[in-house]
Amino acid sequence: DAGITQSPRHKVTETGTPVTLRCHQTENHRYMYWYRQDPGHGLRLIHYSYGVKDTDKGEVSDGYSVSRSKTEDFLLTLESATSSQTSVYFCAISVGTKNTEAFFGQGTRLTVV
Amino acid sequence: AQSVSQHNHHVILSEAASLELGCNYSYGGTVNLFWYVQYPGQHLQLLLKYFSGDPLVKGIKGFEAEFIKSKFSFNLRKPSVQWSDTAEYFCAVNEGKAAGNKLTFGGGTRVLVKP
Repeated sequence: DAGITQSPRHKVTETGTPVTLRCHQTENHRYMYWYRQDPGHGLRLIHYSYGVKDTDKGEVSDGYSVSRSKTEDFLLTLESATSSQTSVYFCAISVGTKNTEAFFGQGTRLTVV
Repeated sequence: AQSVSQHNHHVILSEAASLELGCNYSYGGTVNLFWYVQYPGQHLQLLLKYFSGDPLVKGIKGFEAEFIKSKFSFNLRKPSVQWSDTAEYFCAVNEGKAAGNKLTFGGGTRVLVKP
């Protein structure tokens, strides 16, 4: 099994503060993704990375930035947290022979008060 | 942009009943199709996948799905559900490497199986 660790698993923060979520993988997978999950919306892609320092926006990227300085780590930053960013955040990696299958981390529950 | 529609938001059924969840996608090119399951309080896990070949694919826990290209559909089925199948189910489409191997998800279907 691919190993993905998300940290923290739970966080409560105040509106206007910056927050960074970390995703760490152990198997040198090239593609990494950040999704948010909200009721009725399924999972929506925030940002993704296709290599070190190579990132691109997803469908809900406003208010978020990412960085990938090492293959194993993909950081998601909320530059100034808002209540609309209260959500569950999942990191994923692409696995399989064609990198088309996603394997998900355990998720981070973020509450912005 | 690719879109994925799941027709039912909530499904309630009794144990041993049959389950069918609908999924339609918009992309007309070659796609890879997936169903993921999320049990309460857990992360998403792969249930089954379709890349090519036999349009009827079998997954874990007795689930299967049928790809119908002409209908842009990938419906999930299980002949006889169990209480442990209570979960949320997500259909997803991957457009391939040119699109960053991104997955586009449907809105999910919450399934409640009554014992």
